[in-house]
Amino acid sequence: DAGVIQSPRHEVTEMGQEVTLRCKPISGHDYLFWYRQTMMRGLELLIYFNNNVPIDDSGMPEDRFSAKMPNASFSTLKIQPSEPRDSAVYFCASSLSETQYFGPGTRLLVL
Amino acid sequence: GEDVEQSLFLSVREGDSSVINCTYTDSSSTYLYWYKQEPGAGLQLLTYIFSNMDMKQDQRLTVLLNKKDKHLSLRIADTQTGDSAIYFCAESKEQAGTALIFGKGTTLSVSS
Repeated sequence: DAGVIQSPRHEVTEMGQEVTLRCKPISGHDYLFWYRQTMMRGLELLIYFNNNVPIDDSGMPEDRFSAKMPNASFSTLKIQPSEPRDSAVYFCASSLSETQYFGPGTRLLVL
Repeated sequence: GEDVEQSLFLSVREGDSSVINCTYTDSSSTYLYWYKQEPGAGLQLLTYIFSNMDMKQDQRLTVLLNKKDKHLSLRIADTQTGDSAIYFCAESKEQAGTALIFGKGTTLSVSS
């Protein structure tokens, strides 16, 4: 299996632009998670899905953030409009049981 | 509340054992995990332990859980330079597979 796939791996954008991060979970996994990692706050859970349905989005920082999972093999995290404080590494993870497997992350820089 | 605490830095010499410690506050945690993150990479699951266990060993890795003190440790035997990374402790208090609460990570530096 290829593992969790994320794209792009790096994204540099200007403040105010829309950013879309993509994730393909491991085939057969029914949970998908989006995390954000920063030096100041460490790893934070943003939102997670079970069978494509959002279960808990209490970690989503603002209305500028939205996430979708249109099918079992694809999810997006969108930031619109982006701000410099959104600069971070965004990880997607998937699981079937008690173990979560992480993707390589998307390193986002908002100028 | 939910909180996972780790020391920030550990330095050892190649061949020595490393012990990375973690404390957590939620006694209802079901699973406790150790992840490894190398520079510029994602998180790699190293090992995990169910809360009704005291110890788990996997090759060079030994996990000890003291549920009474809410203390988790990861021992790496015969530490190698390739073990240099950030190690994250995490807990899950809901049903298996759901939200993880991470510590800030311990940076392990191994010198030859």
